[in-house]
Order: sequence, then C-alpha cells, then structure tokens
Amino acid sequence: GQNIDQPTEMTATEGAIVQINCTYQTSGFNGLFWYQQHAGEAPTFLSYNVLDGLEEKGRFSSFLSRSKGYSYLLLKELQMKDSASYLCAVMDSNYQLIWGAGTKLIIKP
Amino acid sequence: NAGVTQTPKFRVLKTGQSMTLLCAQDMNHEYMYWYRQDPGMGLRLIHYSVGEGTTAKGEVPDGYNVSRLKKQNFLLGLESAAPSQTSVYFCASRGTDTGELFFGEGSRLTVL
Repeated sequence: GQNIDQPTEMTATEGAIVQINCTYQTSGFNGLFWYQQHAGEAPTFLSYNVLDGLEEKGRFSSFLSRSKGYSYLLLKELQMKDSASYLCAVMDSNYQLIWGAGTKLIIKP
Repeated sequence: NAGVTQTPKFRVLKTGQSMTLLCAQDMNHEYMYWYRQDPGMGLRLIHYSVGEGTTAKGEVPDGYNVSRLKKQNFLLGLESAAPSQTSVYFCASRGTDTGELFFGEGSRLTVL
C-alpha cells in the first residue's frame, strides 16, 4: 500500500530552527510537495521537490532523497506565525497526490 | 482574482437530507478535486475530474456523487447524508503543467 509518515506534533522556540521529516512509500514518484495549513484555513503551497537535493526559499528549505524515500522541511528563524500544520504529499505514478496526516508545529516564545 | 471558491462555507444537515457543494475556479484549470479532512488524518480524495465532462472516483467515493458540466465548476453531492460525512470538505484545482494545488477555503459540514 501507499504510505506517508510524518510526526504528529512538534514544538519549537521562536527564533530557532526546526526540521520536519517525511518518509514515504508510494507506487511511483512524480514529486513531493509541502503545504502549510493554519488552523481553520486551507492548505497553501510551500515547496516542490522532484530531484534529490535541497531547495531553498527564504526561511524555508525542503530536501529530498528518492533512494531513501525521505524528505524534510527546514524552517529557520521561527516566527509565531509559523505555528501551523505542515502537510507532506507525494504525487504517485497516476499523478495523484497521496497525503500525510500532517505535523502540527507549535511555536513557543 | 478569486482563485477557488467554495459554497456554502458552513452547513448543518439532518441524517438523510441531501445537499450540494459548489466549487468554482477562475484559473482555467483542467484538474479539479474534492477532498475531505478529518482530525488526525490526511486529506482523503473523494472524487476528481481531469477535464470538463469527466469524473473519477478517489479513495473514499461512497455516499458522494460529482458532476463537471462546465470546466470552471465541480459539484459534490450528498444524496442521503450520514453522520460519518461530518467533515471539512476542500475543493482544489491545478493546471496541466504543474502539480501545485490551489485550494478553496473549505466547507464545514455537520450531519446530525
């Protein structure tokens, strides 16, 4: 079966760095996405990785290792507004997105 | 620039009632999706469409029907609502050259 695993909840301190991991087992691979979802709101796109390596976008970076079925989202200089759920999703061989349950990130002052 | 718009945003139904959720997008996207999101679970795909006049079943299609008569609209119907269908429903769309999904604001449905 297809499976996306990510931690349920993480806590970090304002100004610090946090890494949210995602491991996946899917039928085929056509890219991995990270979305941010604030409570009560819709998910919004953060990043897309299809090749191995690190993609940096401001305070956020996303890493992919296809051979290990592994990705992480790195958030630097954490701000209170970064408190949200972070969703990992993989596009499978049928170009359908398989979603993880999301990681709720709590930022403390 | 509206993007993806869902109506209604909130609805309370009694068991056995029917209703339709409307999703409209103004980005000329081919692909449209209906998801449900429940606590502790990932987004689960109900139905999707790869173009006007086409629909396909997703992961959890039972109890739902959809129609895509116009490219910009994707309707989700519940013929006989059940308490298990209490959830937040998200519509999303994307173009053919990108995997990035654009989501509507969500529709919170409660079935009593």
